[in-house]
Formats: sequence, C-alpha cells, structure tokens
Amino acid sequence: DAGVIQSPRHEVTEMGQEVTLRCKPISGHNSLFWYRQTMMRGLELLIYFNNNVPIDDSGMPEDRFSAKMPNASFSTLKIQPSEPRDSAVYFCASRKLRGTFNTEAFFGQGTRLTVV
Amino acid sequence: EDQVTQSPEALRLQEGESSSLNCSYTVSGLRGLFWYRQDPGKGPEFLFTLYSAGEEKEKERLKATLTKKESFLHITAPKPEDSATYLCAVCFQYNNNDMRFGAGTRLTVKP
Repeated sequence: DAGVIQSPRHEVTEMGQEVTLRCKPISGHNSLFWYRQTMMRGLELLIYFNNNVPIDDSGMPEDRFSAKMPNASFSTLKIQPSEPRDSAVYFCASRKLRGTFNTEAFFGQGTRLTVV
Repeated sequence: EDQVTQSPEALRLQEGESSSLNCSYTVSGLRGLFWYRQDPGKGPEFLFTLYSAGEEKEKERLKATLTKKESFLHITAPKPEDSATYLCAVCFQYNNNDMRFGAGTRLTVKP
C-alpha cells in the first residue's frame, strides 16, 4: 500500500489567495483526520471524518477553513482567503474504525504551506 | 485545559544511557493511547497502541507501558538513530473518539 498521499508537498502563496490541500487515505480506511502542526502549538486536530461524514470540526480555526470528503478515497482542506498566520505543516491521517476501541492512524508526509 | 501532557519537553542522552518519556492524561474513558515517532520534515510514524492499564508493548529498544493515568515510553540503550520527537496521542470516549496529541518530547542521543 502506498500509504496516505498528500499533495502538494509544498505550497507558497500570497495572502488573500485560495489554497486547496488534498489527501488520499489508505484504501479500506474509513476515518480521516486533518491536523495542523506549528512550533508554537504542536499538532492540532482541525477536523475528522468517519465514513465520509464530518464528526467534529471544532478545531477549524475560522470560517476561512473548510474541509470536504466527497468519497472514501479523497478529501480536501481549503483555506480562503489565506493569511500569513496560516503558515504551517498540514497533515492528513487515516485509520480503520473497529468497534469500541480505536485503532492507530497513519499519517501522510504533510503539506508545508507558506503564506507571504 | 491540557488533557494530554508529555514530559520532559526535551531530553539529551548519551548513547547507551537508558531513560523514560512520560505521557499523562487527565480525562477518564480512555479508548486508546498511541505513541508515534516524528523525524524532521516527515509525518508521525506509528509505534504502539495501548488500551488497558497494565498493558505493555515492545519493539527493539522501545517499550511502552500504560497505567490508569499515564504511559511511559522506555528507551533501553539508545542509539543516535533513536533521536527524534516522540509524540503521544489519546482517544477519549467523551469526545467522539477523536485523536488528541501531546506536545511531544524531543530526544537527542549523542554518540
């Protein structure tokens, strides 16, 4: 299996522009997470989906952020308009739901976003 | 309010000097505790899953243990290649079983 695939790996954009980050989870996994990592705040959970349905988006910082999962093999995180404080590494992770207990999640390599 | 706390923030060891990293959590209803390793410029890499107090998992020089309020990652005779940031994550039943991470412990092993 190729693992979780994220694109692009690096993105540099100007303030005010729209940014779209993409994620392909591991085949057969039915839970997907979006995280943001910065030196100051560490790994922050932004949103997660179970069976393509958003379960908790309380971590999404502002209305400028939105996430979708139109099918089991694709998710996007969009920032519109982008601001310099959005600069961070964004990770996508997926896992297979199994009953009451939670299994481990597997991470992609991340997208390093720089907003200038 | 922090629910997952890792200590120490940073740890420097000599090669061969064993030590332990700590992950403590303050909420009941644990539904899984996970240890990850993260190298610079990469995504977190899964190491262990623990579910119940008393459970232990081992892999090479690493051993993870779990009590009702904390987990330890023991590193025996570490090597320079063990240098990385070690992250702990927990799933709690009360918050829909999402996965929350601690701030991590940055481990440096000197030869």
